[in-house]
Formats: sequence, structure tokens, C-alpha cells
Amino acid sequence: AQSVSQHNHHVILSEAASLELGCNYSYGGTVNLFWYVQYPGQHLQLLLKYFSGDPLVKGIKGFEAEFIKSKFSFNLRKPSVQWSDTAEYFCAVNGERGKLIFGQGTELSVKP
Amino acid sequence: DSGVTQTPKHLITATGQRVTLRCSPRSGDLSVYWYQQSLDQGLQFLIQYYNGEERAKGNILERFSAQQFPDLHSELNLSSLELGDSALYFCASSVEKGTEAFFGQGTRLTVV
Repeated sequence: AQSVSQHNHHVILSEAASLELGCNYSYGGTVNLFWYVQYPGQHLQLLLKYFSGDPLVKGIKGFEAEFIKSKFSFNLRKPSVQWSDTAEYFCAVNGERGKLIFGQGTELSVKP
Repeated sequence: DSGVTQTPKHLITATGQRVTLRCSPRSGDLSVYWYQQSLDQGLQFLIQYYNGEERAKGNILERFSAQQFPDLHSELNLSSLELGDSALYFCASSVEKGTEAFFGQGTRLTVV
């Protein structure tokens, strides 16, 4: 069955620190991959997506992610975080029969 | 604003009762997804519809059911409610399976 695993439940960083959030999925077929962000009290918003082509994808607000097929991974990165990046981040995979499955989420707290 | 509308925003009801949550997808989107978000379970995929037909099923309890109507809006019915059903219920829509999903603001259900 398709599943998504996010390695970190809670990450605390200072402003200007670099960020990397891990995401691994289990599904052997073709997948579409997504990172969503949920700011406090708001709905999920799309940060970036990968369907095919260049495995390094750039999203909004300076975020990027790299798809490594051999490792079934799609890690999210940002070179320098800001206080406004404080939010919960979800990795999602769309593969098996169109199911869009999310990871458990990673709560990011950025200290000013 | 994602274009996905969910009503009501908040719902408080007693155990044993039945409620209906409504979702209007973005204009042109044929696929509707339902998710349950709770603190301990994360974002759980419940069910997906595509153009009126059930497409994929996740961890949806037998007490829960959903449907998508000809005008593409969807309803999630929750019956014999238990305290543990208290959660945020999100609806998302996409043009078709595999593409990015856009989320509504959610319905916060509290069972007392």
C-alpha cells in the first residue's frame, strides 16, 4: 500500500538557518509528488510539485525539493528560513489509483 | 482563497448524532477528496470521487459515507458520532487524479 513518511515531527530553527525536511514514500509505480504548507489556522496550500522532468523543483517563497527516485525520497529545502515560515509542512504522494496520501507533517518553528 | 468552499465552518454536536459536511469544488474540477485531520492521526485520506463516481477509498469508517452529485459538489455524512470523531475535516479538489489538489478551509467538528 502507498504510504508517506516524514522524518521529523518538530523542527526548531533560528532565522537565516537552512532547512531540510525529509520525506520518503513507498510505492513502486509512477508518482506525482507534492509539498504543502499549513499556516496556523489556515488550510493547506501548495508549495511545489513534481510530475516529471528535472528532479529539482522550485516552489514559492524560496522553497525547493529534490526527487531522488532510487531513494524514494522528495526532501524539501530552503537556504535561509524566516520567522514567517513557521507552519506545518506536509509531503504528499499521488500514485496508486489516484490516491493523494499525506505524511504526518512536520511542524517548523522559526525563532526570530 | 483556493476556490474550494466548505460548509459549515464549525459544527458542535452530541455523541450518537449524524451530521453532513458539504464541499463545493473549484469551478472545472472533477475530483474531490475528503480528509480528516486530528492531532494524533495527522491528515488521513478518507475517500475520493471523480465525476460522480467513487475513485479511491482510504481509512474511512463504515459509519461515514460520502457522495458526489451531478453538479460535482460533495457531501460527507458522519453518523453515530463518537467523541473521537472530533477533528478538522478537509475537502480538496483537482482537475483530475494526479494533479495538484486545492484545499478548502475545513469544517471543525466537535462531538460532545
